[in-house]
Amino acid sequence: EDKVVQSPLSLVVHEGDTVTLNCSYEVTNFRSLLWYKQEKKAPTFLFMLTSSGIEKKSGRLSSILDKKELFSILNITATQTGDSAVYLCATDLYGGSQGNLIFGKGTKLSVKP
Amino acid sequence: DAMVIQNPRYQVTQFGKPVTLSCSQTLNHNVMYWYQQKSSQAPKLLFHYYDKDFNNEADTPDNFQSRRPNTSFCFLDIRSPGLGDAAMYLCATRDSLNTDTQYFGPGTRLTVL
Repeated sequence: EDKVVQSPLSLVVHEGDTVTLNCSYEVTNFRSLLWYKQEKKAPTFLFMLTSSGIEKKSGRLSSILDKKELFSILNITATQTGDSAVYLCATDLYGGSQGNLIFGKGTKLSVKP
Repeated sequence: DAMVIQNPRYQVTQFGKPVTLSCSQTLNHNVMYWYQQKSSQAPKLLFHYYDKDFNNEADTPDNFQSRRPNTSFCFLDIRSPGLGDAAMYLCATRDSLNTDTQYFGPGTRLTVL
């Protein structure tokens, strides 16, 4: 059965801390891994990863994929209260003509002032 | 700006009273998805359209139907909502020729009384 597992499920940090969120997967026909940030609304896209070892960065956020060990991490440096959200990891299985996402359960990040 | 739009943002219906949620997009993406997201859970795919081809997930209840009259619009019909159908309903789109990334609308929060 295809699955995506995120850890930890929840995390509380203080502003300025650096956090690492984990996502492991066991899926057939892996095509890409995506990270989303979800506040009290729909998920917003953060990163798409297809190749191992290539870090993607956007401001204080970065992510990397390891296709050999089947996991990805999302790093957030110098956290701010606005980073408080649920971070969702998803794998795209088929791509091409169809394509649907298998989501992990998310990591709920709370950043305290 | 190009975007995915969902209407209404909040919908209240009565037990058993049919309801229709709408999604429109200006991205001209050929694939459209409907997800159901219950509180503290990851989004769950209900069905998707690849162009006009409808793809139903095996565990999507018959109570849920969908229509895509043209590229821009997609509707989710819930024929007889039950209390367990109260959730956030997310629409997403994807350009299958160019990317694996799905872009989400803001969601419709459905309450069933």
